[in-house]
Amino acid sequence: SQTIHQWPATLVQPVGSPLSLECTVEGTSNPNLYWYRQAAGRGLQLLFYSVGIGQISSEVPQNLSASRPQDRQFILSSKKLLLSDSGFYLCAWSVRPAGELFFGEGSRLTVL
Amino acid sequence: GQQLNQSPQSMFIQEGEDVSMNCTSSSIFNTWLWYKQDPGEGPVLLIALYKAGELTSNGRLTAQFGITRKDSFLNISASIPSDVGIYFCAGLPLTGGTSYGKLTFGQGTILTVHP
Repeated sequence: SQTIHQWPATLVQPVGSPLSLECTVEGTSNPNLYWYRQAAGRGLQLLFYSVGIGQISSEVPQNLSASRPQDRQFILSSKKLLLSDSGFYLCAWSVRPAGELFFGEGSRLTVL
Repeated sequence: GQQLNQSPQSMFIQEGEDVSMNCTSSSIFNTWLWYKQDPGEGPVLLIALYKAGELTSNGRLTAQFGITRKDSFLNISASIPSDVGIYFCAGLPLTGGTSYGKLTFGQGTILTVHP
């Protein structure tokens, strides 16, 4: 069966520090991978998605970047965090053609 | 772009009551999904709907894909305290290409169940 894991689960970082959140998927090949952010409140904002290794599409201009160095690995990064980067970050995967998304456990980022 | 209007935004109910929430859109969707999110966790897929008019159940949950392809509802019967959480609808646009697999999410319905 397929599983998705992301880490770290919780992160407290000072403004201006770098960020790296990692996500891996097991049990499937060539998945679509996504990074979402959920700010205080509840809406899910799509940040990045990837249909293959090295292929990244950005949905919202921002202080963040994403990379996919391996088929089942997706990384969310920032060189210098801003206060507004605080939030709950969710990695997700899907397998064509159904489009159903399966989410990871989430990473809570607090920027101070 | 597509938008989903999910209502109600929040619900406060007594244990045992039935719950109904819905999502509407001005655009046509090919797939409707319903998720539940517990506090501090990622959303979990509850029900997936693929055909207009489809009615699907998962235990006490029932969801329907609207015949116009522009709406969906989720019902929860005989609510229990563990039903507490945020419920999201999500739709997959009819067109493929660059929008393939990119869901549009509703803003969520916060459900509180009083014992």
